[in-house]
This record gives sequence, structure tokens and C-alpha cells, in this order.
Amino acid sequence: DTAVSQTPKYLVTQMGNDKSIKCEQNLGHDTMYWYKQDSKKFLKIMFSYNNKELIINETVPNRFSPKSPDKAHLNLHINSLELGDSAVYFCASSLGQGPYEQYFGPGTRLTVT
Amino acid sequence: AQSVTQLGSHVSVSEGALVLLRCNYSSSVPPYLFWYVQYPNQGLQLLLKYTTGATLVKGINGFEAEFKKSETSFHLTKPSAHMSDAAEYFCAVTGENDYKLSFGAGTTVTVRA
Repeated sequence: DTAVSQTPKYLVTQMGNDKSIKCEQNLGHDTMYWYKQDSKKFLKIMFSYNNKELIINETVPNRFSPKSPDKAHLNLHINSLELGDSAVYFCASSLGQGPYEQYFGPGTRLTVT
Repeated sequence: AQSVTQLGSHVSVSEGALVLLRCNYSSSVPPYLFWYVQYPNQGLQLLLKYTTGATLVKGINGFEAEFKKSETSFHLTKPSAHMSDAAEYFCAVTGENDYKLSFGAGTTVTVRA
């Protein structure tokens, strides 16, 4: 059973389009995250949600809009895609903040042409 | 605020040799420290973590790390490298009430036969 799953795994699209990435966790965790990994493999937090409530929005352009319909799901919608949005996006979940391990999904590789 | 610095973006070792990956952290609060591994085209997997207590932490796949507060370090070691250890390794830090992991830039490990 996959703990944290993401769909799609690959996403190729043109500039200006709108796309969504879905994330689901079956671990019963309260906290979910979106991270962006750039071409140099640097990982940076984008959003954190706790019990469906937005906790962290790390200076992400407002073209990115996360949505958490319930504690097990955290989706990421991106409007007006730009070349610079090309990256791997990872969803993660944990029991809470602080010392708890974060479990990562397999990633979604987004390529904007 | 917390941050980590990983010294050495690439480490090349011979099979059977010691693996040493360096991580120094900066934190205004007691840190929780993590090492994650990322195999090609996969998500991140936790190797080990330090929260409180014993400063020598053992993880999966024969890895261990030592928390040294005086040196603000959390270096990762493995006595004998295996070909399967070739991957990207990330050190990360968070704090008690923090809802995000702050990652280092990563270290790519290659293992020579």
C-alpha cells in the first residue's frame, strides 16, 4: 500500500496553461506539505497544511493555489504556467510539526515548454 | 530560523570504503535533524533522525550520524560503502513548533567498483 501517492508522475504542458497535481496519504497524518525541487536538486517548502488549515505559504506566487478537501488530500493547482515552474514537486505528510518524520510521495515532474 | 549547510556537493568513494557526509546546522531553537536519501527518480526516504537523547543515532542500511552541539554538526557515516548507496543525500533541520523542513543543498554519492 502506497503511503503518499501523487498523480500524475509526469506532466508536460505549455506556457500559460493551468494544471493540477493531486496528493493523497493513507497514513492518518494531520499535516501535509508541498515541496519544490529545482534542477539543481534543491528542495524548498512551498506550503504546509495542518488539519486542512494553511499554516505556511513560503512566498510562493499566487498562481499556485493549494487545496485540502480533507486531511488525507492536498492538491496543488497552478495557473498560467511559466518556464520557471519546471521542477519536481513533492507532496509529504507527517503526524505533526517538529520532530515527526515527513513521508514523501514519489514526486511529479512538471515540464513547461 | 533554521538552516543547514552540506559540505561537498559530490562525494566519490570506493566500494567498501568509509562514507562520510558532512552537515552543519544553524538554529535559534533546539534542532531536530534528519538525513534523507533520494534514489534516482524517486521520492525521499528517511535514513535517520535526531530529536533528543542519545547523540549517536543509527539508521537504516548501516548509516549512523552523531549530533555534536558544540560543533553544530550532524555528519552521516557508513563504515563500508555498497554500490546501492549511490544516491543523493539531504540533511534537514526543523524546530519544535516548525511546520517545515529546511534542507541542505544535497550531496551526490557515487560508489566506484
